[in-house]
Amino acid sequence: DAMVIQNPRYQVTQFGKPVTLSCSQTLNHNVMYWYQQKSSQAPKLLFHYYDKDFNNEADTPDNFQSRRPNTSFCFLDIRSPGLGDAAMYLCATGAPWSAKNIQYFGAGTRLSVL
Amino acid sequence: AQTVTQSQPEMSVQEAETVTLSCTYDTSESDYYLFWYKQPPSRQMILVIRQEAYKQQNATENRFSVNFQKAAKSFSLKISDSQLGDAAMYFCAYRSALLDFGNEKLTFGTGTRLTIIP
Repeated sequence: DAMVIQNPRYQVTQFGKPVTLSCSQTLNHNVMYWYQQKSSQAPKLLFHYYDKDFNNEADTPDNFQSRRPNTSFCFLDIRSPGLGDAAMYLCATGAPWSAKNIQYFGAGTRLSVL
Repeated sequence: AQTVTQSQPEMSVQEAETVTLSCTYDTSESDYYLFWYKQPPSRQMILVIRQEAYKQQNATENRFSVNFQKAAKSFSLKISDSQLGDAAMYFCAYRSALLDFGNEKLTFGTGTRLTIIP
């Protein structure tokens, strides 16, 4: 049973053409995270939400934006993708102040930029 | 700021043997959580095991156990009876126990790629 669902699994876009990645969850977790992961590297946190409260990492480029219209959904918008933005994008959810306090990850969206 | 170091980019082990992946971290906090996450090729990242820093007892989950040395800031993962399905990238991660939003995020190490030799 998928709990954190990312769509699409693979996305191809053109240089400079805006793209949106989506994430949904069935866990009803307060916190949702977006990570960028390049080949064989650790995931790099871009931003995260606690409900509607938004926390942007200091080194996240302005080219990356996010929206969370409700508890279940979160979107990552890349306004003008460059070649360096080709990566796996991971969504995760968590209830960090609960007893379990672990993050649950989606399968990721692999973004290619042509 | 906390840092997590995994000094072994790649490891390999014979099927059914035991392997230990190392992780060290740096923090000035006294209370925190440590995790090992597994990321198989083209599959999602899942939690392997979790340790609370205030607990002296090492966590175990079936074939997976940790050696948590708080004073040395070391958190190694031992996989016993290695299976082909254990082949994956393994990430060590740190999380503060502070309750405010922003401090609950994970700090990952650079990962260790584990290969299982049949």
